[in-house]
Amino acid sequence: SQQGEEDPQALSIQEGENATMNCSYKTSINNLQWYRQNSGRGLVHLILIRSNEREKHSGRLRVTLDTSKKSSSLLITASRAADTASYFCATALASGGSYIPTFGRGTSLIVHP
Amino acid sequence: KAGVTQTPRYLIKTRGQQVTLSCSPISGHRSVSWYQQTPGQGLQFLFEYFSETQRNKGNFPGRFSGRQFSNSRSEMNVSTLELGDSALYLCASSSGLAGGQGNEQFFGPGTRLTVL
Repeated sequence: SQQGEEDPQALSIQEGENATMNCSYKTSINNLQWYRQNSGRGLVHLILIRSNEREKHSGRLRVTLDTSKKSSSLLITASRAADTASYFCATALASGGSYIPTFGRGTSLIVHP
Repeated sequence: KAGVTQTPRYLIKTRGQQVTLSCSPISGHRSVSWYQQTPGQGLQFLFEYFSETQRNKGNFPGRFSGRQFSNSRSEMNVSTLELGDSALYLCASSSGLAGGQGNEQFFGPGTRLTVL
């Protein structure tokens, strides 16, 4: 089963609105990352938040992490049509001397112009 | 820096054949990971190579194998292809250092494999 699970599976909003996606995970983590994937392409790293951090910002992105609830949220403010993509959270599990990101199934975001 | 490149971008094979996919990581990156992405299973980790050694392996059958060369370029091979192997295969590179930004992965555009 997937370590991280995003919610909702799909989100449709108008340009200018905010988009919030949530991620829940099961085991203790070292860090959590959010990625974006445009249709059929590779993933683009958006932001990494460590287990000892509670909030992080990057441009229009705001990520929160609640380790007690094993959950994270990604907020995209003032969304644009170009934000249309799938968004994945990835939790890092320690293995073999490195940390392997385990991805959820993603949230499909559509931003209507 | 040039990004991660994957070749070929598209591939069509028939059942029973084998296939080799190639990935060139970002210059200086020593870790290369491979993922399989399908609509049904999502993104699943295949394996990771670091300095020519397989460091981690996902839960895939032995038909899936890989290797890494001294220049960090990596190949993955799938033998005896099955219809269910049709997927987008993604390669990701990172510095491979434990913790911190060493976890950030840079993905290539993927190879779309179709098995007929």
